[in-house]
Amino acid sequence: KAGVTQTPRYLIKTRGQQVTLSCSPISGHRSVSWYQQTPGQGLQFLFEYFSETQRNKGNFPGRFSGRQFSNSRSEMNVSTLELGDSALYLCASSLDPEWSGYTFGSGTRLTVV
Amino acid sequence: KNQVEQSPQSLIILEGKNCTLQCNYTVSPFSNLRWYKQDTGRGPVSLTIMTFSENTKSNGRYTATLDADTKQSSLHITASQLSDSASYICVVSLNTNAGKSTFGDGTTLTVKP
Repeated sequence: KAGVTQTPRYLIKTRGQQVTLSCSPISGHRSVSWYQQTPGQGLQFLFEYFSETQRNKGNFPGRFSGRQFSNSRSEMNVSTLELGDSALYLCASSLDPEWSGYTFGSGTRLTVV
Repeated sequence: KNQVEQSPQSLIILEGKNCTLQCNYTVSPFSNLRWYKQDTGRGPVSLTIMTFSENTKSNGRYTATLDADTKQSSLHITASQLSDSASYICVVSLNTNAGKSTFGDGTTLTVKP
């Protein structure tokens, strides 16, 4: 079956711009979570959506937002980009994170210049 | 506060040697613990999942152990290969309906020829 698909794979933006990243989860998975990973750092949790509702949220500023559609596809938006937002953004989907764990996408590499 | 601590932060070994990575957690109530392998620039891939009643589980050259009493887990890699070079992440999920998981910062393993 198809895995978790993230688009685009690479993105270059300038400071002050906004960006939208997309994630298509595995069919049937209702949970989609987003993570930021900067060089040498662990995965930093951004937020999780479950059946179109934000269920959990990490400690990121309000410039980071997301949403989930009825088909479970999810988008993440970052407004007013800063240089420090340059990172690998990973999306993970799950049938039920408590029991079945996560399947990660390959990520979107965002570079802010 | 729910925490997952991994050690060592980084490790360099020679090809063919064995190594053990550690994960200590304070997450409660505990549901399951997963080990993920993340190659550079890619999304993490699940290696194994440990539930409360499981002590040892193997996946090829990878063997995970869990001591739920001391809240410790280890990942043992036997006869290491160059392709084992990656970051290994420990993730502990809570036994709630909130879908929460706590990620460790990972151990970066480098296998040298």
